[in-house]
Amino acid sequence: QKEVEQNSGPLSVPEGAIASLNCTYSDRGSQSFFWYRQYSGKSPELIMFIYSNGDKEDGRFTAQLNKASQYVSLLIRDSQPSDSATYLCAVILDYQLIWGAGTKLIIKP
Amino acid sequence: GAGVSQSPRYKVAKRGQDVALRCDPISGHVSLFWYQQALGQGPEFLTYFQNEAQLDKSGLPSDRFFAERPEGSVSTLKIQRTQQEDSAVYLCASRGASTDTQYFGPGTRLTVL
Repeated sequence: QKEVEQNSGPLSVPEGAIASLNCTYSDRGSQSFFWYRQYSGKSPELIMFIYSNGDKEDGRFTAQLNKASQYVSLLIRDSQPSDSATYLCAVILDYQLIWGAGTKLIIKP
Repeated sequence: GAGVSQSPRYKVAKRGQDVALRCDPISGHVSLFWYQQALGQGPEFLTYFQNEAQLDKSGLPSDRFFAERPEGSVSTLKIQRTQQEDSAVYLCASRGASTDTQYFGPGTRLTVL
């Protein structure tokens, strides 16, 4: 079993709607959780990080963490075509970032 | 500099050729990571430096892969006798002393023919 699991998608969402991206992880010792966005042919760029259970909001983005369920999600409100990308979930284990394979998100105008 | 830089951005090598990939981390960042990313996959850890010390090289796929950071700043990933399966994007990331956040360079896309 992979340590970080994501649905590969693609996830297709109409423009203006909420996109919901999900990630599960296997190691209960993980303390820090990250969402990166990666456009085709580009390197990952940090969207958000979260350490504590609950929600963390930054503009149109909300990260949600549930350590009991070993689940972290990213909500994107008012989705825009420019949000179309692959979203990578990553967790810290010791000093390493352990990555999911990413979910491809497509925002349809 | 303002961000992590990598060079070259693209490298085409003939099978059996040696290649060297360079990473310039964010100034002052003590931690440096190398990742390999295959198409459609998340990055896979290769190796980790703290200053000039290589603390973990468990992700290097074979002894043809070698990384160094002799002065604790610039790092070079060297691949000897390249094989087709080495074709991937090689990402470098750096991290400051009091944070978990890693910042990525643009990557080097290596194609081995």
